[in-house]
Amino acid sequence: DAKTTQPTSMDCAEGRAANLPCNHSTISGNEYVYWYRQIHSQGPQYIIHGLKNNETNEMASLIITEDRKSSTLILPHATLRDTAVYYCIVRVLTPSTLTFGKGTMLLVSP
Amino acid sequence: GAGVSQSPSNKVTEKGKDVELRCDPISGHTALYWYRQSLGQGLEFLIYFQGNSAPDKSGLPSDRFSAERTGGSVSTLTIQRTQQEDSAVYLCASSPDVSGRGLEQPQHFGDGTRLSIL
Repeated sequence: DAKTTQPTSMDCAEGRAANLPCNHSTISGNEYVYWYRQIHSQGPQYIIHGLKNNETNEMASLIITEDRKSSTLILPHATLRDTAVYYCIVRVLTPSTLTFGKGTMLLVSP
Repeated sequence: GAGVSQSPSNKVTEKGKDVELRCDPISGHTALYWYRQSLGQGLEFLIYFQGNSAPDKSGLPSDRFSAERTGGSVSTLTIQRTQQEDSAVYLCASSPDVSGRGLEQPQHFGDGTRLSIL
């Protein structure tokens, strides 16, 4: 799977949009971009995924650049409960490829 | 509940003892996965089940680790003769299917079992 690079930590004010970047410059054509997050002492939570097109759901939006070498997860109105570690994963669709690195620790402050 | 349930939530045991961890997947999910997350580390894939079958066991760290699934539902992960390096959070996830388009569907995780080996 392609390697991803994420900032170690980010801060965001409550109510503001949180934009979390992810670089995946060696992504292959058959690799998807997935985002999960993990709140302290809980299991990972699925957020969103995409292949080429931008995606939006009730939690977030995913913007993938045209060359697919990077993507941005957007939480449109961050709340305190969005404080978590956010993981960007690039994977081919096989059962064993959902593995996380260090992720980005997002701290949402009042 | 509707989510993935794992038990126990915490387990402390002495080195050399055997431990058994349990996972109840979301009802109807045929795919079940086991992962390990060590302190400050990422997520490590261990094994997956499609129904009661585990096609790929290569992710298990050693032959002290084994897993089974019965009735296409509950799964147990067993660690024999535990070592201190086995200390970690063991996570279970399930998804509707592990074939074809099912692989694109998200995996839903439980809150894990925190295993501490003294």
